[in-house]
Amino acid sequence: DAGITQSPRYKITETGRQVTLMCHQTWSHSYMFWYRQDLGHGLRLIYYSAAADITDKGEVPDGYVVSRSKTENFPLTLESATRSQTSVYFCASKSQDYTEAFFGQGTRLTVV
Amino acid sequence: KQEVTQIPAALSVPEGENLVLNCSFTDSAIYNLQWFRQDPGKGLTSLLLIQSSQREQTSGRLNASLDKSSGRSTLYIAASQPGDSATYLCAVRGGATNKLIFGTGTLLAVQP
Repeated sequence: DAGITQSPRYKITETGRQVTLMCHQTWSHSYMFWYRQDLGHGLRLIYYSAAADITDKGEVPDGYVVSRSKTENFPLTLESATRSQTSVYFCASKSQDYTEAFFGQGTRLTVV
Repeated sequence: KQEVTQIPAALSVPEGENLVLNCSFTDSAIYNLQWFRQDPGKGLTSLLLIQSSQREQTSGRLNASLDKSSGRSTLYIAASQPGDSATYLCAVRGGATNKLIFGTGTLLAVQP
């Protein structure tokens, strides 16, 4: 299917475990982003990538790791999950500087 | 640091009313501003993108305006319908990066 997809849609994990959230886009967009959405904080940027092998920190990067070996994939890894990382995670992509961003459906992560 | 504010936080109107949602930002040096819609438990759907050089954009019953100098954007919804009920988010792209900074949204309920 064309577009941007996230997997899994729902995930429950235990404190201290490593978990990876996947994001895949079929448009060959250059830019990709990871946001988390929490009540009272809105959407906050975790990491972003301008192209394959180029990543940079956003507003709340601590505890997260990203990689971008292929243009279409941008996985987000929580190295040792904590309860404070319970959130809804959104991946987004855009093609160039002055274009609109498109979002995936989100992954609801619960850390117990 | 760019801050984006949306007022009101929640709004309830009867069906058929015209309404205005507000978005303000503290740093007027933006590249563009994007309005999104988010349904409960869903991802973000892009509604309108306004470049910094534009004053407004229209799509169907939606009209978004941008006044960069005063740091404001409005989203006008004409003849509201129950299907318009959702959270509306604005996001600005500022600076040399492609990061989007989001407001906390306006929860709209259109009563039949």
